[in-house]
Amino acid sequence: DAGITQSPRHKVTETGTPVTLRCHQTENHRYMYWYRQDPGHGLRLIHYSYGVKDTDKGEVSDGYSVSRSKTEDFLLTLESATSSQTSVYFCAISEGQSRETQYFGPGTRLLVL
Amino acid sequence: SQQGEEDPQALSIQEGENATMNCSYKTSINNLQWYRQNSGRGLVHLILIRSNEREKHSGRLRVTLDTSKKSSSLLITASRAADTASYFCATVGGNTPLVFGKGTRLSVIA
Repeated sequence: DAGITQSPRHKVTETGTPVTLRCHQTENHRYMYWYRQDPGHGLRLIHYSYGVKDTDKGEVSDGYSVSRSKTEDFLLTLESATSSQTSVYFCAISEGQSRETQYFGPGTRLLVL
Repeated sequence: SQQGEEDPQALSIQEGENATMNCSYKTSINNLQWYRQNSGRGLVHLILIRSNEREKHSGRLRVTLDTSKKSSSLLITASRAADTASYFCATVGGNTPLVFGKGTRLSVIA
């Protein structure tokens, strides 16, 4: 998994609670991404980062925020979890520009009850 | 919204046969990439083809790109049971990150 870890790997939470997912990389790559994967929708980009404190929105950013205070960590926060945010969340990195090959972490399964 | 659309959505073949998956997209691209995802795992990059390339090979994989038709195909030759997975195309245009299609589920029956 190209030195990418995600934590937690599984989480069950209740509607209305905040949730933070962590993506950690060991290879100092500039670009990091958060996706969600749902049946019938494929992968959709939530947010991405092109450097420390530099982030931008993706296709489905509503209800999510991100932070990147260190090169190696990219945090995804669900400010107030809803059942529609039940999904599998993947973090990815790319070595060069955002257009190049991406390498994915193992995923986090989130269930919001 | 998704840029690439894979076809078919699902494909079932016998071991040893070839598998062909297609991807169509809507706008101009810098490159097109194919990824594989085994059940319960993250995506793994297979191959990248740039907009000025027409064909690329990697082992048993052959990718073609037709920018005039805005389409690409992924051919897996002599398929194996281990090729069972979902396959996604992803497109890059301008400076935007990858946009993934919904994938093709390939089942290779031994």
